[in-house]
Amino acid sequence: AQTVTQSQPEMSVQEAETVTLSCTYDTSESDYYLFWYKQPPSRQMILVIRQEAYKQQNATENRFSVNFQKAAKSFSLKISDSQLGDAAMYFCAYPNRDDKIIFGKGTRLHILP
Amino acid sequence: AAGVIQSPRHLIKEKRETATLKCYPIPRHDTVYWYQQGPGQDPQFLISFYEKMQSDKGSIPDRFSAQQFSDYHSELNMSSLELGDSALYFCASSLQGEGKNIQYFGAGTRLSVL
Repeated sequence: AQTVTQSQPEMSVQEAETVTLSCTYDTSESDYYLFWYKQPPSRQMILVIRQEAYKQQNATENRFSVNFQKAAKSFSLKISDSQLGDAAMYFCAYPNRDDKIIFGKGTRLHILP
Repeated sequence: AAGVIQSPRHLIKEKRETATLKCYPIPRHDTVYWYQQGPGQDPQFLISFYEKMQSDKGSIPDRFSAQQFSDYHSELNMSSLELGDSALYFCASSLQGEGKNIQYFGAGTRLSVL
């Protein structure tokens, strides 16, 4: 069965510092995508970044980047220069071949001023 | 740019009542997904539609039904509501074949069952 695991229920980071959120997953597929979604207090689900499994290059979106280790089935999210607006719940997500998204349990990120 | 529209944003119902949640996908998107997020939980897939046909089904109770209409909007009908149905219900839409069908989420409908 496909699973997504986020082992850090909560994390805190000082404003302007860098933080890394961990995610591991399990799948038998070889070609797939992985996503990180952000859910701020408004509860809106916002796509932060996506990675294509066949691409070796790690995806980057402004201050957000991933460390994708396909063999280890690891997909961590790095947030640089953390800002107060980054405070949210972050979900690692895997869309299976039927496009049903399987979410991790989430990591709540606190930004300390 | 137009986003996924869900209505209503908030809904309060009594036990055993019926609720209807509506979702209007991004224009041109042909696939709609419904997810349920309980308090403190991650979203769980309920059901999806592609070109007005049900394409996949998750852990959706028999009391729930859904459909996608000719204009691609979708409705989730929930009957005999139970306290445990209180949750945030997300609709997402995508366009098949575009970037591994990235799903764009609506703001959700918060259902409270009293």
